[in-house]
Amino acid sequence: EDQVTQSPEALRLQEGESSSLNCSYTVSGLRGLFWYRQDPGKGPEFLFTLYSAGEEKEKERLKATLTKKESFLHITAPKPEDSATYLCAVPNSGNTPLVFGKGTRLSVIA
Amino acid sequence: KAGVTQTPRYLIKTRGQQVTLSCSPISGHRSVSWYQQTPGQGLQFLFEYFSETQRNKGNFPGRFSGRQFSNSRSEMNVSTLELGDSALYLCASSSQLAGITDTQYFGPGTRLTVL
Repeated sequence: EDQVTQSPEALRLQEGESSSLNCSYTVSGLRGLFWYRQDPGKGPEFLFTLYSAGEEKEKERLKATLTKKESFLHITAPKPEDSATYLCAVPNSGNTPLVFGKGTRLSVIA
Repeated sequence: KAGVTQTPRYLIKTRGQQVTLSCSPISGHRSVSWYQQTPGQGLQFLFEYFSETQRNKGNFPGRFSGRQFSNSRSEMNVSTLELGDSALYLCASSSQLAGITDTQYFGPGTRLTVL
């Protein structure tokens, strides 16, 4: 069964302290990997799509990278407003449009 | 372009009742997917509709159903509500021009509380 595992489950950073979130997946024939940001009580907000190993995308303080087995979301010099849950998802090889990981809950402390 | 909209935003029901949730996709998007999100299980896929046809279905009981109209708007219905149905119900739309790798854009969700 296709799976998506995110680590760590929770991460607490000081403002300006850079770090990375991990998303590992087991799916044959990857057809894209998606990163979303979700604030409490709201719907996920799309961040990035990565399609092939070696691909990188950036947006403000965030950079997403992809290998054949995992993806990283690098956060450089985070600010308190970056606090949120970050979700990654992949299209299933079966009948599910997207399989989501459980997310990483990021807290950035001023 | 307006985003995905969902109504109502909040609902409180009692066990045994039924509920209907509505979703309007981004203009031009023909695929609508529904997800249930709970703290313990995360985001779980319910079903997907494309051009008024259910294309995929997740592993949920038959009490959960949906439909899509000719204007791509979608509704989902939950009958005989149980306490465990309390969750955030999310709708997502995509253009589906290139298959299921198209980006899904989510609405704000409907928070359902079953008492």
